Amino acid sequence: NAGVTQTPKFQVLKTGQSMTLQCAQDMNHNSMYWYRQDPGMGLRLIYYSASEGTTDKGEVPNGYNVSRLNKREFSLRLESAAPSQTSVYFCASSFAGQGVHEQYFGPGTRLTVT
Amino acid sequence: TQLLEQSPQFLSIQEGENLTVYCNSSSVFSSLQWYRQEPGEGPVLLVTVVTGGEVKKLKRLTFQFGDARKDSSLHITAAQTGDTGLYLCAGPNTNAGKSTFGDGTTLTVKP
Repeated sequence: NAGVTQTPKFQVLKTGQSMTLQCAQDMNHNSMYWYRQDPGMGLRLIYYSASEGTTDKGEVPNGYNVSRLNKREFSLRLESAAPSQTSVYFCASSFAGQGVHEQYFGPGTRLTVT
Repeated sequence: TQLLEQSPQFLSIQEGENLTVYCNSSSVFSSLQWYRQEPGEGPVLLVTVVTGGEVKKLKRLTFQFGDARKDSSLHITAAQTGDTGLYLCAGPNTNAGKSTFGDGTTLTVKP
């Protein structure tokens, strides 16, 4: 099992460009998440999908859109990148049930917006 | 809003020392998870504690869940340089398909 995979691993964008970050999991998890992590800081939730066909905003959704394509895949789109979106982006998945949300994270995408 | 506060924010120690980091909340959590994140990588799940008062051991790491399920601690015995990283605690939000994460404790173990 590959677990959670993310592409690309690194990306440099110019202000105003768009891109989509891809995430896939092979653990048959129902929930998937997108986080951003800025230097020296913890994780901030951008969007999440509690189940296939649903998405909800996290604490920092502005400037982002998501698509839960199927149970395996959850993509994050930046329509018009801004320097403030320079960060490391992590995708995670979990089988969220019975009061336990054990999340499994991908290796991250390091994005720089100039 | 359920919040998790972690302390200390930064900790720098010598190899061989013992340490304890804390994860505190005013809210009750059904469970708490601990993760370790090494530089340049994603967080990795270490353990889940579910029952109030529960103690779990993972080699030199000891995790405890408070009796009231509002707090947790992580104790490392005889720290090694390989323990260096960011330690995060997290717990499920009530009635929501997401978790609350603490801001983490950055541990540096010097040789």
